[in-house]
Amino acid sequence: DGGITQSPKYLFRKEGQNVTLSCEQNLNHDAMYWYRQDPGQGLRLIYYSQIVNDFQKGDIAEGYSVSREKKESFPLTVTSAQKNPTAFYLCASSPRQVYQPQHFGDGTRLSIL
Amino acid sequence: EDQVTQSPEALRLQEGESSSLNCSYTVSGLRGLFWYRQDPGKGPEFLFTLYSAGEEKEKERLKATLTKKESFLHITAPKPEDSATYLCAVRLGGEGGGNKLTFGTGTQLKVEL
Repeated sequence: DGGITQSPKYLFRKEGQNVTLSCEQNLNHDAMYWYRQDPGQGLRLIYYSQIVNDFQKGDIAEGYSVSREKKESFPLTVTSAQKNPTAFYLCASSPRQVYQPQHFGDGTRLSIL
Repeated sequence: EDQVTQSPEALRLQEGESSSLNCSYTVSGLRGLFWYRQDPGKGPEFLFTLYSAGEEKEKERLKATLTKKESFLHITAPKPEDSATYLCAVRLGGEGGGNKLTFGTGTQLKVEL
């Protein structure tokens, strides 16, 4: 079955440590997205990529980095510069065409040790 | 500024008690409004896309409608398994930004026996 796989499901970060969240899709979608979800807030866009080897900052990109070397993969690194990383991180993908919905993975919950 | 507001924040219904969730938006040049369902600890699951005012979509006990300023998600004779958080999202106007979405904070629905 086609879908989006995020790993790990739970992740713990130590102070000063960078951690990388994995996102893989087999839907043949061109566009991929990373969101952060905090209690009581809507999903906030961190980064997005419309094609391989290209990506743009979203609304809250500070303290995060991404790469898009393959169509299927869009890993997110939470750097030590992100001072409040505890959140639920969601990856999504969609076709590039207008009106197409985004489809989501089941998220990674990141906590501070 | 593009905004999406959902109400109520939380809703408790008895099984079989029909109701509606609201999503109001202030977006220039709406290019699609999306409804999602999110279960605890999971990623959002796509429900509907609405393209233009007057449009309606149905799926089982759910019916989504769209006007020029808001969308409603009507739930008819809900069952406990309909309990979830329902998210509304709008695609930003203009050609740039691909399929970037702005999300509301969601309505947490609980259906009791």
